[in-house]
Amino acid sequence: NAGVTQTPKFRVLKTGQSMTLLCAQDMNHEYMYWYRQDPGMGLRLIHYSVGEGTTAKGEVPDGYNVSRLKKQNFLLGLESAAPSQTSVYFCATSRNRDTEAFFGQGTRLTVV
Amino acid sequence: DQQVKQNSPSLSVQEGRISILNCDYTNSMFDYFLWYKKYPAEGPTFLISISSIKDKNEDGRFTVFLNKSAKHLSLHIVPSQPGDSAVYFCAASDPQGQGNLIFGKGTKLSVKP
Repeated sequence: NAGVTQTPKFRVLKTGQSMTLLCAQDMNHEYMYWYRQDPGMGLRLIHYSVGEGTTAKGEVPDGYNVSRLKKQNFLLGLESAAPSQTSVYFCATSRNRDTEAFFGQGTRLTVV
Repeated sequence: DQQVKQNSPSLSVQEGRISILNCDYTNSMFDYFLWYKKYPAEGPTFLISISSIKDKNEDGRFTVFLNKSAKHLSLHIVPSQPGDSAVYFCAASDPQGQGNLIFGKGTKLSVKP
């Protein structure tokens, strides 16, 4: 029972490159979220999903796309990476909107 | 403008004493609050939560107090242990969202042996 697993853990990208971050959960949760954390800041919501096949924008969605083709997976894509996207990315899941969220271990992304 | 504020970036406490971490919020519609603990290079871990229908919730050494009129909550850790040294985030569930959380900037707690 792994909980919430993020792949990869670290990545360095050049400006303009693309990549996909994978979040996989075995908790059978409906709700999934992508947050980013920058130095000295709290976590900010990028996109979220309330179920398979659904996605919605969060506070800071620009430059990112997401997909939830399967209930257990939530993908975060960067089509053309920019240095401003250098951050630590966290995926989270929750059973419903009124319960606590469980977080993955994070992906540290550096865009040079 | 920040809706959830943790005004103390850091706090240092002696082992065995009480740690009090504070959090203020601006949106009176917030009705569910959570505290998360985060170690370096790990994801946040849920610690304790409180609904606005309560003013206190306790779980072992951790107690959260909510003062709705002051829009203030606090996390008490008694007794503090060196293993409690971490960054603590206060979060509120977005009343217009779907379980998504609005986080404060965090308070780094150091518990000295």
